[in-house]
Amino acid sequence: QVTLKESGPVLVKPTETLTLTCTVSGFSLSNARMGVSWIRQPPGKALEWLAHIFSNDEKSYSTSLKSRLTISKDTSKSQVVLTMTNMDPVDTATYYCARGSPPDYWGQGTLVTVSS
Amino acid sequence: DIQMTQSPSSLSASVGDRVTITCRASQGIRNDLGWYQQKPGKAPKRLIFAASSLQSGVPSRFSGSGSGTEFTLTISSLQPEDFATYYCLQHNSYPRTFGQGTKVEIK
Repeated sequence: QVTLKESGPVLVKPTETLTLTCTVSGFSLSNARMGVSWIRQPPGKALEWLAHIFSNDEKSYSTSLKSRLTISKDTSKSQVVLTMTNMDPVDTATYYCARGSPPDYWGQGTLVTVSS
Repeated sequence: DIQMTQSPSSLSASVGDRVTITCRASQGIRNDLGWYQQKPGKAPKRLIFAASSLQSGVPSRFSGSGSGTEFTLTISSLQPEDFATYYCLQHNSYPRTFGQGTKVEIK
């Protein structure tokens, strides 16, 4: 059974760095077809694709957020980590991780609020 | 980046109606397009990939078509459980990009 689960802080302060972890099961991060993406959704707004990491550790980022994002993975722990620097209230959103591209399985999402 | 323009942004329809949602890409993306359904408070669910391939377990009333720059999601006979927001996603090149969504509401 394929599952993905996001974890991380629910509240961060402006200018802080957000670190989110996606723990996967039911597939291996070393599988050539099974990269993982991060996607976010501000309350009441559309989905926004953020980043993707491939099985060979290559990465791709949103053009507008590239300077603030870092995606990495630990295959032995079945985890994919996203960091986003210099958080702002407009970054308040539900953050999802998802398998493959186009994603087939998604995590439940984690709501991150940016507020002082 | 490839821009995805989805229309309409919302629509009202009745149970049993045929519903069509369109997505246009700013450049050709072959058939590299997926459609997702999202209900409030839930993660998106993949309905269609590669423009017209139905995800396993998705009812056959959902269908996708198109290639190049214009794509369509059709619900042949709208059911109560289909009231949701629908998104397209291009998976032709990185960075991936979503459409702005279409909210399907009850008339």
